[in-house]
Amino acid sequence: NAGVTQTPKFQVLKTGQSMTLQCAQDMNHNSMYWYRQDPGMGLRLIYYSASEGTTDKGEVPNGYNVSRLNKREFSLRLESAAPSQTSVYFCASSDWLSSGYLSSYNEQFFGPGTRLTVL
Amino acid sequence: QKEVEQNSGPLSVPEGAIASLNCTYSDRGSQSFFWYRQYSGKSPELIMSIYSNGDKEDGRFTAQLNKASQYVSLLIRDSQPSDSATYLCAVNQAGTALIFGKGTTLSVSS
Repeated sequence: NAGVTQTPKFQVLKTGQSMTLQCAQDMNHNSMYWYRQDPGMGLRLIYYSASEGTTDKGEVPNGYNVSRLNKREFSLRLESAAPSQTSVYFCASSDWLSSGYLSSYNEQFFGPGTRLTVL
Repeated sequence: QKEVEQNSGPLSVPEGAIASLNCTYSDRGSQSFFWYRQYSGKSPELIMSIYSNGDKEDGRFTAQLNKASQYVSLLIRDSQPSDSATYLCAVNQAGTALIFGKGTTLSVSS
C-alpha cells in the first residue's frame, strides 16, 4: 500500500516549457488535490477533484490545468512554465466520512512532493 | 476571506517540556480541524484530527477545540528533539477543501 505517489521528484524547466506532474493514490479515495508550497506562503490549493469526473479551481489556479484521469490518478499540467511557478508541489487525497451530525471529515493524505524549478 | 492564523515561531522548548501550538480560524461554519507535522524537505503528515469541542488525546499529543472562541490548539507532552518540525493547522467546512495556516516551527533542544 503505497498511499499517494508523485512523479517526478525533481524537475528543472526553462521558461515557456510545458510539463505534467503525475499523482496516483491506492487508498480508493474519491477526492484528490494539488497544492503548491512556497516559503512564507504556506500550502495553497491549485485545483481539486471532489470525485471522479469533476474538477474545481482552488486559490491559485492560473497557469495550471488538471485532469482526473480515473479514480486513482490526478495530473497537473503547466502549459507554459514561468519562474513564478517555481515551488514544491504536493498532491493529496481524501475520502468523505460521516459521523453523527458531521457531514464530512476530509482527512487528507499527502504525497512526497515534486520540487520544480523554472529558470 | 476564510483565514487560519498561526504564530510562525520559532517556538523553542527544552526536551521533556510541554509544547503548546495555537491556531485561530475566521469561519464560524468550520466543522473539522486537523494538525499536520512537516519535517524540513518532507510532505505534511496528519497527526491529529478533532471535530467537537473539548480535548482529544493520542499518545503524547492532545488537540483542544473551542468553537465559540474559534480556537484550536495542539499540546505535545514530554517533547523530544524528534518533534522539531513545522506544525500546520488546517480547517474545513463540510464539502470544501481544507484551508491551511502557514505553520508554526517548533524546536526542541536536548
